[in-house]
Amino acid sequence: DTGVSQNPRHKITKRGQNVTFRCDPISEHNRLYWYRQTLGQGPEFLTYFQNEAQLEKSRLLSDRFSAERPKGSFSTLEIQRTEQGDSAMYLCASSLPRTKTDGELFFGEGSRLTVL
Amino acid sequence: AQSVTQLGSHVSVSEGALVLLRCNYSSSVPPYLFWYVQYPNQGLQLLLKYTTGATLVKGINGFEAEFKKSETSFHLTKPSAHMSDAAEYFCAVSVNGGFKTIFGAGTRLFVKA
Repeated sequence: DTGVSQNPRHKITKRGQNVTFRCDPISEHNRLYWYRQTLGQGPEFLTYFQNEAQLEKSRLLSDRFSAERPKGSFSTLEIQRTEQGDSAMYLCASSLPRTKTDGELFFGEGSRLTVL
Repeated sequence: AQSVTQLGSHVSVSEGALVLLRCNYSSSVPPYLFWYVQYPNQGLQLLLKYTTGATLVKGINGFEAEFKKSETSFHLTKPSAHMSDAAEYFCAVSVNGGFKTIFGAGTRLFVKA
């Protein structure tokens, strides 16, 4: 069973460094989402891809954040010049096309970022 | 815009007791409603969902939820708690299977022996 895969699972970095997370969605899912989860909060929507097109970005996604899905398969989320406030769990989810789903999301286990 | 409020960040029940986790939503159009569960060190997984039709929906592990439009609620229940139910539960809303799912802050369920 190949679910949503994220790596690295944990990343510790110093403030000011760049980090990149990768997400491999379920193969037949054309929609891919990034969420951020901080302690005591639910997942917050960051951005969404349909195939390779990035269709929406949250205001939470500052200019230091960039996400790509170049071939409509895996996606990367890069954070430049990390700040301590970026420390969080970054969640990736995928789903079937709109015509084939009621909106169920399939989540990876997340990538935990700690910025020192 | 849609929003979700989960009442109670922590709920503690005894094993065998009723579980009730509360969720209220706000949506200007008919919502799709979800409950997800997150076990420690695992990703979120779907417990159950309401889209249209029957307002009482059953999910995995004996959980069920009832959509009450008049109360804008979608509370999650289970008649008898089991130790393995200890986890964090998230209520979520989206519109017409749309791309943006909005999550509540979560309720952590503790089950006492």
